[in-house]
Amino acid sequence: QKEVEQNSGPLSVPEGAIASLNCTYSDRGSQSFFWYRQYSGKSPELIMFIYSNGDKEDGRFTAQLNKASQYVSLLIRDSQPSDSATYLCAVVPLNSGYSTLTFGKGTMLLVSP
Amino acid sequence: DTAVSQTPKYLVTQMGNDKSIKCEQNLGHDTMYWYKQDSKKFLKIMFSYNNKELIINETVPNRFSPKSPDKAHLNLHINSLELGDSAVYFCASSPRGTGGETQYFGPGTRLLVL
Repeated sequence: QKEVEQNSGPLSVPEGAIASLNCTYSDRGSQSFFWYRQYSGKSPELIMFIYSNGDKEDGRFTAQLNKASQYVSLLIRDSQPSDSATYLCAVVPLNSGYSTLTFGKGTMLLVSP
Repeated sequence: DTAVSQTPKYLVTQMGNDKSIKCEQNLGHDTMYWYKQDSKKFLKIMFSYNNKELIINETVPNRFSPKSPDKAHLNLHINSLELGDSAVYFCASSPRGTGGETQYFGPGTRLLVL
């Protein structure tokens, strides 16, 4: 069974610090990787996606992918209290045909002022 | 203008009842999904439809029956509700349903079975 593992947290960081969120996956054939943010009581919203090994930066967010080690991470620089949310890692197997997201259980991030 | 909408937002009902949740997307996407998020916040796929056809059906009790009258709508009917059905149900859509696409989520329907 395909699994996506995340530390449930909470991960507490002070405002302005770098938050590092990690995710590992079991299906070596996975091709697409997503980070969704979910505020309490709200629906998930996409933060970033990454397909290739290495880093991908978008503003304060950097996604890192290492397929050999089967992990993907999300770095949030200059963390803000508004970043406090649950971050869901999601993985899709081979990028062909119909497929769905397999989510991890999420990591709660708390950014204190 | 809401991209993916769901009704109702809240649903409180008794065990054994039958209820439906409706979902509509105005993004022109071909594929729609139902997810269940339990009390521990674990989000899990239930069904996926592409152009009104069922393409993915995870291990879900047959008390749950999805219906897609057209590609913009995907409804979920639940028979004989049980306590364990209490959860948040999210509808989502994506352009084609192939891997690597972003999925857009609706606001969720919070179901409480008493």
